[in-house]
Amino acid sequence: ETGVTQTPRHLVMGMTNKKSLKCEQHLGHNAMYWYKQSAKKPLELMFVYSLEERVENNSVPSRFSPECPNSSHLFLHLHTLQPEDSALYLCASSQGSTAAQFFGPGTRLTVL
Amino acid sequence: AQTVTQSQPEMSVQEAETVTLSCTYDTSESDYYLFWYKQPPSRQMILVIRQEAYKQQNATENRFSVNFQKAAKSFSLKISDSQLGDAAMYFCAYRSGQTSGSRLTFGEGTQLTVNP
Repeated sequence: ETGVTQTPRHLVMGMTNKKSLKCEQHLGHNAMYWYKQSAKKPLELMFVYSLEERVENNSVPSRFSPECPNSSHLFLHLHTLQPEDSALYLCASSQGSTAAQFFGPGTRLTVL
Repeated sequence: AQTVTQSQPEMSVQEAETVTLSCTYDTSESDYYLFWYKQPPSRQMILVIRQEAYKQQNATENRFSVNFQKAAKSFSLKISDSQLGDAAMYFCAYRSGQTSGSRLTFGEGTQLTVNP
């Protein structure tokens, strides 16, 4: 595997379910990000992890819970979501403050 | 807070011709980076080109080049010899240069159509 991978690519869940999104980067980067992309809206940053510590939580509801167990893996744990949480969730990684962010293919989430 | 504005929701270009996508931004910082990302129908976000604010020379990557006007806070993308595979949503993005792990702030995007 190369680059940034995300699983699953598609997820349909009910509002009472608990699920997790997984992101893995194979680039040796030291920062990882979760973004949310909804229809007709700019990408919204959700969380930033730098050197495995959360450095930014962009006013995200507590039903989204991130976890970064090491510099290569990032999870987004989901519970009791709402239909308006349906969106494309993108993971990205970068190295240092000057580097561009590289994105995974995204997880298309549908909440019924 | 930084903001990024793309005033063209949609653009179209004939194959082999040139098109320019506009982007303006607002910041009080002097050290920052600007990017253009491309998102084709697959939804994969792909880095197209990046510009460091401290560099006066405009960045180029093959058929892609930028016109960076720092005083005007303008960062347009020129695509030369357009190809069908260039059809995608294009996002302009800003990143502070001050800290590691800092956020990207995205514009609303411009949907580019390439006509054969």
